[in-house]
Amino acid sequence: EDKVVQSPLSLVVHEGDTVTLNCSYEVTNFRSLLWYKQEKKAPTFLFMLTSSGIEKKSGRLSSILDKKELFSILNITATQTGDSAVYLCAVRGNDMRFGAGTRLTVKP
Amino acid sequence: GAVVSQHPSRVICKSGTSVKIECRSLDFQATTMFWYRQFPKQSLMLMATSNEGSKATYEQGVEKDKFLINHASLTLSTLTVTSAHPEDSSFYICSARKGGSSNEKLFFGSGTQLSVL
Repeated sequence: EDKVVQSPLSLVVHEGDTVTLNCSYEVTNFRSLLWYKQEKKAPTFLFMLTSSGIEKKSGRLSSILDKKELFSILNITATQTGDSAVYLCAVRGNDMRFGAGTRLTVKP
Repeated sequence: GAVVSQHPSRVICKSGTSVKIECRSLDFQATTMFWYRQFPKQSLMLMATSNEGSKATYEQGVEKDKFLINHASLTLSTLTVTSAHPEDSSFYICSARKGGSSNEKLFFGSGTQLSVL
């Protein structure tokens, strides 16, 4: 059965710390892996990854995919309190599977 | 864990017909469910917030007469696309909130790919 597993489920850090969020998956007919930041209205799209080994970067956020080992990581450097949110990993295969999310809390 | 089941996963219909999509929370009660539409650039647009026992709250620009939402029980919300047209073709996703707080995590269905011919 297709599944997406995120770890850790929650994480508390202090401003300036670097965090790594993990997402492992087993899906049929993998097409892409997506990272979202869950905000009040709707998850905000962060990255879409389709190829192994190519790092995607946006400011302090970066992500990479390993299609052989079936996982992705999302890195956030120099964390700020505004980074506090739930980060969702979703994998598009025959359908779309979301992980349970990692709740990140960044303390001042 | 919390499981949200969404059906059907894929539907093809003729223009002018109506399509119903179901979103069920299988192992928890969801007082609030959300419906999204995914656009080609992967962004998720919130269409409406569905509250059990009351009318759905629609986002600006979403036609409530076209996208009918019913949240008749604590475990089921339905989205009916009425008189579907090709421009309604999209990927629709639901999510459910497990608790009452807005800080609670959301659990997502697996989406419905709607194709209107």
